[in-house]
Amino acid sequence: RKEVEQDPGPFNVPEGATVAFNCTYSNSASQSFFWYRQDCRKEPKLLMSVYSSGNEDGRFTAQLNRASQYISLLIRDSKLSDSATYLCVVYWEGAGSYQLTFGKGTKLSVIP
Amino acid sequence: ETGVTQSPTHLIKTRGQQVTLRCSSQSGHNTVSWYQQALGQGPQFIFQYYREEENGRGNFPPRFSGLQFPNYSSELNVNALELDDSALYLCAARDFSSSYEQYFGPGTRLTVT
Repeated sequence: RKEVEQDPGPFNVPEGATVAFNCTYSNSASQSFFWYRQDCRKEPKLLMSVYSSGNEDGRFTAQLNRASQYISLLIRDSKLSDSATYLCVVYWEGAGSYQLTFGKGTKLSVIP
Repeated sequence: ETGVTQSPTHLIKTRGQQVTLRCSSQSGHNTVSWYQQALGQGPQFIFQYYREEENGRGNFPPRFSGLQFPNYSSELNVNALELDDSALYLCAARDFSSSYEQYFGPGTRLTVT
């Protein structure tokens, strides 16, 4: 089982649609969780952190279920500029070091 | 701007050669991590340096090695290049004591022929 698994995608949605991405992780000792966005041939950039209580940033809502080891990202009212690959990322820290483990990414294309 | 730069942007090497990739970050970023991102995959953790010492390593062979310097720059060295080493190599810097957020550089795209 891969450490971080995401929906395979790609997701092709019309402008204005709502789209949801799911992610599961295998390391129950993981401490923090993030969604990164990566545009084509660019570096990943932090989109938002994910908290157990759920958190929202404008049109983006992230949720975490530690018991199920499941993370989600919801994008409402999709814009053309949301087209990118979305990476689910799990953070572990211990013994003076840390590691980010990335999922494979889910590609989103928002169509006019 | 993330304050993290990488050089070169693109590089073509032949199988069996050696390569050095460079990363520079701003003052205060005392931790640097290197990642390999193959086409269609997420970034894979190679190793991490904190205050010039390696303090974490992913599942990569010893021919992947690195250095971190006092001026917050870092190097990734790969010996005996293989075709599968073709990928985007990303460095990410962070102030380990103050923030979770890592700042990624733009990456170096390495092609091994």
